[in-house]
Amino acid sequence: AQSVAQPEDQVNVAEGNPLTVKCTYSVSGNPYLFWYVQYPNRGLQFLLKYITGDNLVKGSYGFEAEFNKSQTSFHLKKPSALVSDSALYFCAVRGLPGAGSYQLTFGKGTKLSVIP
Amino acid sequence: DVKVTQSSRYLVKRTGEKVFLECVQDMDHENMFWYRQDPGLGLRLIYFSYDVKMKEKGDIPEGYSVSREKKERFSLILESASTNQTSMYLCASSLGNLVEQFFGPGTRLTVL
Repeated sequence: AQSVAQPEDQVNVAEGNPLTVKCTYSVSGNPYLFWYVQYPNRGLQFLLKYITGDNLVKGSYGFEAEFNKSQTSFHLKKPSALVSDSALYFCAVRGLPGAGSYQLTFGKGTKLSVIP
Repeated sequence: DVKVTQSSRYLVKRTGEKVFLECVQDMDHENMFWYRQDPGLGLRLIYFSYDVKMKEKGDIPEGYSVSREKKERFSLILESASTNQTSMYLCASSLGNLVEQFFGPGTRLTVL
């Protein structure tokens, strides 16, 4: 079974500082990894994904994530945090495509607060 | 842009009522999904569908059923609503296996 862990329920960072939101995963075979963001009372918005190729993936709003196979991690990063980045962030994983394997497994979410 | 719409943003129902949550996507996506979101539990998959009239159980299908009669529409049905089904319900769609899912705005359901 595949699983995702987001070890921090909340991350606080000062505006202008770099931010990291952590994610580790467990899956059979090669992973397909995603980050989503959710603003209050809204649905989830896609930020970025890793399927194959370069381990550093760039996404929307200046976010990037680094795939580390040996550590089974896919941490979300941004060089300089904005107050508007304050939101709930979800990491998700799926394993090898195949019959019936359409399912994404989500982490429990990390609340990011950027302090002015 | 892909648009996924859900019939209601907020819904209040009574215990025992039959509840229908509707989801429509406008991009001819094959796959559609229903999740529920609860604080501290993240998103949990209820049901998904990879084609018209096809459905697969997710992690927590008990107490729910689904219907997909047309490609663009995926309905979630609570046969007899209970208070433990009070939650945020999110619908999503995707074109294939390796691409991202697009989410609707969610329906916050309260069962009294």
